[in-house]
Amino acid sequence: NAGVMQNPRHLVRRRGQEARLRCSPMKGHSHVYWYRQLPEEGLKFMVYLQKENIIDESGMPKERFSAEFPKEGPSILRIQQVVRGDSAAYFCASHKDRSSDYGYTFGSGTRLTVV
Amino acid sequence: DAKTTQPPSMDCAEGRAANLPCNHSTISGNEYVYWYRQIHSQGPQYIIHGLKNNETNEMASLIITEDRKSSTLILPHATLRDTAVYYCIVGPGGGNNRLAFGKGNQVVVIP
Repeated sequence: NAGVMQNPRHLVRRRGQEARLRCSPMKGHSHVYWYRQLPEEGLKFMVYLQKENIIDESGMPKERFSAEFPKEGPSILRIQQVVRGDSAAYFCASHKDRSSDYGYTFGSGTRLTVV
Repeated sequence: DAKTTQPPSMDCAEGRAANLPCNHSTISGNEYVYWYRQIHSQGPQYIIHGLKNNETNEMASLIITEDRKSSTLILPHATLRDTAVYYCIVGPGGGNNRLAFGKGNQVVVIP
């Protein structure tokens, strides 16, 4: 079984450009979470999605950030008009619906660098 | 979410058991204790979780005190590859919940 796949692994964007980060959850997992990790800091929750629904976006910045998890295809985290402070590692995790296994499976992350 | 307290760092000897403490004195009755670790630059890795009873899997053992206010993660035979930041997290069970990661415990396994 493939794990949680994130791409790209590394992404460089100039200030003002858009960044699109992709996450394909594990097979059979219908819940996706996005976390951000700034340099030398812990992971901060951003958003929790199920297929076609945003369940909890309390950790998302109010502007420039959006996330989706369409019926078909990967979950996308979109950052518009990136700034230097957006430079971070972005991790995606997936979870099985109502499973006795409560462990989340994380991807290897996308490292975004804004220059 | 209940908060947890972990030492910021600790060293362990290779081949010996590593005992990682965690305090969660404000844990509520339906909250689980989860442990994850993050090896440098990689995504976090789930280790184990428990509610009241002690748990063991192929990676580690989790000992939860009877009053559930603290727990210990035990790595039975630490290897150099166990060097990582270990996170103790409390939260509701059943999935479908966001996990709140704190600063964790930087564990270094020394040869």
